[in-house]
Amino acid sequence: GNSVTQMEGPVTLSEEAFLTINCTYTATGYPSLFWYVQYPGEGLQLLLKATKADDKGSNKGFEATYRKETTSFHLEKGSVQVSDSAVYFCALCNTNAGKSTFGDGTTLTVKP
Amino acid sequence: GAVVSQHPSRVICKSGTSVKIECRSLDFQATTMFWYRQFPKQSLMLMATSNEGSKATYEQGVEKDKFLINHASLTLSTLTVTSAHPEDSSFYICSASTASYGYTFGSGTRLTVV
Repeated sequence: GNSVTQMEGPVTLSEEAFLTINCTYTATGYPSLFWYVQYPGEGLQLLLKATKADDKGSNKGFEATYRKETTSFHLEKGSVQVSDSAVYFCALCNTNAGKSTFGDGTTLTVKP
Repeated sequence: GAVVSQHPSRVICKSGTSVKIECRSLDFQATTMFWYRQFPKQSLMLMATSNEGSKATYEQGVEKDKFLINHASLTLSTLTVTSAHPEDSSFYICSASTASYGYTFGSGTRLTVV
């Protein structure tokens, strides 16, 4: 079956530090990959996505590249801000209208 | 485009009562919607897949009679937590998928049963 493994948290960084949150997956076929962000007390928001190998998703300074050879989709940001503090979920879906499989989430705290 | 509206955002109910949560696709038609549950500091667990005009498909371990799902139209799916108990307190999130926009999530409903 499908599975997503995320780097365990919590992750604490200082403002302007470089961020990497690792994500690897196991799936049949050719899944689409997603990163979602959840701010305290809120629902999930799509942060970025990639639908095929070597695609790079990017949004709000965050990036992730779909690496089929390493089955990875690591999230990166060059300079984090306090406002980036949230829980980040990596997820995959291997059909257009199918259900998603989520990682356990990684809590990021950015300190001033 | 592809906005999903979930209501209510927060609800507190007494033990033994039922609570209905609505999930609407505002600017698109969703033949399939998904209901997830999230426990504190944990990931999302799929509860069921809601199919318009037919019975929902429940994941293993999810009680069908407790979590009633109705998807009567292409823009509305509802989840009713029947005879709620404190252990049902959780964050419930719906999502819908479109070919153009991928997955869109509702803002979630925080249910507290007292």
